[in-house]
Amino acid sequence: DAGVIQSPRHEVTEMGQEVTLRCKPISGHDYLFWYRQTMMRGLELLIYFNNNVPIDDSGMPEDRFSAKMPNASFSTLKIQPSEPRDSAVYFCASGEGYEQYFGPGTRLTVT
Amino acid sequence: AQTVTQSQPEMSVQEAETVTLSCTYDTSESDYYLFWYKQPPSRQMILVIRQEAYKQQNATENRFSVNFQKAAKSFSLKISDSQLGDAAMYFCAYRISGNTPLVFGKGTRLSVIA
Repeated sequence: DAGVIQSPRHEVTEMGQEVTLRCKPISGHDYLFWYRQTMMRGLELLIYFNNNVPIDDSGMPEDRFSAKMPNASFSTLKIQPSEPRDSAVYFCASGEGYEQYFGPGTRLTVT
Repeated sequence: AQTVTQSQPEMSVQEAETVTLSCTYDTSESDYYLFWYKQPPSRQMILVIRQEAYKQQNATENRFSVNFQKAAKSFSLKISDSQLGDAAMYFCAYRISGNTPLVFGKGTRLSVIA
């Protein structure tokens, strides 16, 4: 298995632009998590899904952030409009049982 | 709310020596899991070791072992025979049973000196 796939690996955009981050979980995993890593706040959960249904989105910072999981093999995290404070590394992780497997992350820079 | 505290922002160790990274957590749950993740400069999150709270025996994975003190809510990581490739950020993490979100500590940056 190729593991969790995230795209793009790097994204640089200007303030006010829409940004879409993508994630392909490991086949067969029924949980998918979006985490954000910043120097100030560390690693924190944004949202997670079980069987494509959002379970907890309390970590989504504000209405500018939205996440979808239209099917078991694909999820998106969208930021519209983006702001410089959204600059961070965004991780997607999928899991079953004990483990969560992380993707390589997307480094987002908003100028 | 559950919290995870790593009190050592940075640590260093001589190659081939042993180092211990500290982690404490706060929870009212009785059934939970604890993890140590390694994040090298590539930023990939790599699971190092896992401990189930119901198990009294400390987990071990090759050169990595933990000291799990449930009553004290302490979960330290010992790295033996440190290697240059061990240099990374190390994150302690917690979650309750089931595949629930991880709660992370702020991390400890480990340097290995040749």
